[in-house]
Amino acid sequence: KAGVTQTPRYLIKTRGQQVTLSCSPISGHRSVSWYQQTPGQGLQFLFEYFSETQRNKGNFPGRFSGRQFSNSRSEMNVSTLELGDSALYLCASSQSGRGINEQFFGPGTRLTVL
Amino acid sequence: QKEVEQDPGPLSVPEGAIVSLNCTYSNSAFQYFMWYRQYSRKGPELLMYTYSSGNKEDGRFTAQVDKSSKYISLFIRDSQPSDSATYLCAMSDGGAQKLVFGQGTRLTINP
Repeated sequence: KAGVTQTPRYLIKTRGQQVTLSCSPISGHRSVSWYQQTPGQGLQFLFEYFSETQRNKGNFPGRFSGRQFSNSRSEMNVSTLELGDSALYLCASSQSGRGINEQFFGPGTRLTVL
Repeated sequence: QKEVEQDPGPLSVPEGAIVSLNCTYSNSAFQYFMWYRQYSRKGPELLMYTYSSGNKEDGRFTAQVDKSSKYISLFIRDSQPSDSATYLCAMSDGGAQKLVFGQGTRLTINP
């Protein structure tokens, strides 16, 4: 069974630009969560999608947004990039929406903002 | 103060040693507890998953949860150089697919 895949793996952008990251969950998984990982703050929850609906959101500004498609694939978008947005962005998928399920992470997209 | 506190280390031990990794938390609503292992330039890999208090064993790994003390531990027996990685504790109140992570402990097992 294929794991969670994320594209692209590496990305370099400049301040003010916007970026879109993609995540394909494990087949059959309907929940996709996004996390930001930085050396200073560690892993922080961004948002979670289930059946194309955002169910939960972390404490990030509105520049961070996402969506989920009918095949459960998800994208996240960051607009007006800032230097502090440089991070590893991780996507995790889990089977269903009831209770807490085991979350399986992808390899991440490393974003560098110059 | 962070909801989950984890000593970032680094922690360095000889091969074969027993390793103890710990996290404390402040949110009494947490009832799901996980340990992830993350190798350099990789995503976190789920090691152990525990609901509520108690112990869980899987091979060389044992997870313990003490909800009364708001304290969780991961023990690694007969540690191997391949166990060298960053270990992250994570927890949830179960109301959402939202994990709150510790800072991670960088562990090195020396041959």
